[in-house]
Amino acid sequence: DSGVTQTPKHLITATGQRVTLRCSPRSGDLSVYWYQQSLDQGLQFLIQYYNGEERAKGNILERFSAQQFPDLHSELNLSSLELGDSALYFCASSVERGRNTGELFFGEGSRLTVL
Amino acid sequence: LAKTTQPISMDSYEGQEVNITCSHNNIATNDYITWYQQFPSQGPRFIIQGYKTKVTNEVASLFIPADRKSSTLSLPRVSLSDTAVYYCLVGSGNTPLVFGKGTRLSVIA
Repeated sequence: DSGVTQTPKHLITATGQRVTLRCSPRSGDLSVYWYQQSLDQGLQFLIQYYNGEERAKGNILERFSAQQFPDLHSELNLSSLELGDSALYFCASSVERGRNTGELFFGEGSRLTVL
Repeated sequence: LAKTTQPISMDSYEGQEVNITCSHNNIATNDYITWYQQFPSQGPRFIIQGYKTKVTNEVASLFIPADRKSSTLSLPRVSLSDTAVYYCLVGSGNTPLVFGKGTRLSVIA
């Protein structure tokens, strides 16, 4: 158990719909990362938050948005869903010790299926 | 962001030592080198991290030459359960960790 909790574990929805994925980082971790992994693909970095502020953006579509709340949990919102959005969405957290990114702890992922 | 290059796949027999090399020619002074392991449908798991020379823990060793333009993950005496995808990443506290395609290791009995 990494200490990172993601909900829901599985989600099936239709094209055009909107979903919200939730992530609770490990206790004390200030940084939250979101990654997308499609079938047989590598992990695509989407976005990173640090203590409530957006720190870095990767290949995140405009239809997607995220935020980190004061209690440090994070939500990834996916809207106008397309078939190609079907993927595993991982959240990871880290404490970030100065220069060193430290170890990333990943949740078990949320599997999104768009029909 | 420093780009990494790894072999797409490797095969090994059980009990052998496996070495996976990663190239990162434009690694920055502040960057650390980190390796992760991922099983199907699971989140990646941290294996080892280093800055220079050699680092060893209970599961692997990481060799980093003086120029730091490459690194080698060494897995001693692999077993079937080591079959997974292994990712090499470089980054520092100011850059997000970007995963490449990784190396798919298949351990054969």
